Amino acid sequence: TQLLEQSPQFLSIQEGENLTVYCNSSSVFSSLQWYRQEPGEGPVLLVTVVTGGEVKKLKRLTFQFGDARKDSSLHITAAQPGDTGLYLCAGAGEDNFNKFYFGSGTKLNVKP
Amino acid sequence: NAGVTQTPKFRILKIGQSMTLQCTQDMNHNYMYWYRQDPGMGLKLIYYSVGAGITDKGEVPNGYNVSRSTTEDFPLRLELAAPSQTSVYFCASSYGPGTSEAFFGQGTRLTVV
Repeated sequence: TQLLEQSPQFLSIQEGENLTVYCNSSSVFSSLQWYRQEPGEGPVLLVTVVTGGEVKKLKRLTFQFGDARKDSSLHITAAQPGDTGLYLCAGAGEDNFNKFYFGSGTKLNVKP
Repeated sequence: NAGVTQTPKFRILKIGQSMTLQCTQDMNHNYMYWYRQDPGMGLKLIYYSVGAGITDKGEVPNGYNVSRSTTEDFPLRLELAAPSQTSVYFCASSYGPGTSEAFFGQGTRLTVV
């Protein structure tokens, strides 16, 4: 069972559209990270959020950590083909922040 | 900059064989991790280490062993390979826990037949 559930699993959109990816859990996390993974490569960190209600912006990407630190969202504005990839959320356990639990991932395809 | 290096990149094992997946990092990170990623799934933590000589189990440790004799190296041992261990294995390292960025290797694609 996945501690972190991501939705949607797959997303195929046209260039220029906006999208939101969700990461939900019944557990509280001390921090949450978003990674992007391209085929044949390891994940690469996009952002870390640590405070409930925190919002971080990275160019066209906006990340939000839920007030209760159980959920997070990633919003992409005006998606580009270069955004194509697998987006993974990962949470550090509140009882043991040495352990990172990854979500199942959202596979994004942005068509030109 | 090498970062996290995993070897081999690909391997085919027969059921019951054993092998060691190598992982080394040159960033002097204390924390190292082993994950497996099954097709269409996220990563599951197998084992992790918070420093040389210290290891602990993750979510899916059965069928695997690890050791951490140096800061740089964190090998993962598969004993008696089974088809269920067919997966892509990723090693990662970080400076600290929690909020620290984890740096991943390129992965080892293992098939057990």
